[in-house]
Amino acid sequence: DTEVTQTPKHLVMGMTNKKSLKCEQHMGHRAMYWYKQKAKKPPELMFVYSYEKLSINESVPSRFSPECPNSSLLNLHLHALQPEDSALYLCASSQKAVLTDTQYFGPGTRLTVL
Amino acid sequence: AQSVTQPDIHITVSEGASLELRCNYSYGATPYLFWYVQSPGQGLQLLLKYFSGDTLVQGIKGFEAEFKRSQSSFNLRKPSVHWSDAAEYFCAVGGGSQGNLIFGKGTKLSVKP
Repeated sequence: DTEVTQTPKHLVMGMTNKKSLKCEQHMGHRAMYWYKQKAKKPPELMFVYSYEKLSINESVPSRFSPECPNSSLLNLHLHALQPEDSALYLCASSQKAVLTDTQYFGPGTRLTVL
Repeated sequence: AQSVTQPDIHITVSEGASLELRCNYSYGATPYLFWYVQSPGQGLQLLLKYFSGDTLVQGIKGFEAEFKRSQSSFNLRKPSVHWSDAAEYFCAVGGGSQGNLIFGKGTKLSVKP
């Protein structure tokens, strides 16, 4: 099983809302990633979790708050977002956070901020 | 700094024709190279990867890629394109200290009937 699942598939929220994105994998991977992808652009790394600890935060605004409650689950909490935050949010996982490990991607959550 | 360049933004080929998508990388050490495909509104699916060994790598869906160190290239090829291959293709290098991927800007492939 090489599946990474993400919920919800689509999310529309206002700038004052609080919402969360969820990502799950059952491959025993110990590294999980959040990427943001704007239309017609490549994915950009936001966060990396390694063994449930945040190891990389690519200067992401504090209105995005990641959480890794256990080795299978990764959340992204959203608060006071801006319209320019509208994008496809992709979750990925790999065995470890090293160069040689393949990252497996979920289908993404399409976020629209009004 | 590590970087990946995909020179072609958009390529159109006829169904049944051969395909080559170009990828050039800049990396100081031995690169770990990947090709991913993304259908509209979907996540990324790994087509193939190169870490070491044989420079011609076979992937899924009939794709292959050749690593050429002298040209800093990792071009993706397919001998006969199918309409279902229409998608966005991303070349990436494993370049970060925590294994994060650095992506090229992508090449959109359209397939003519």
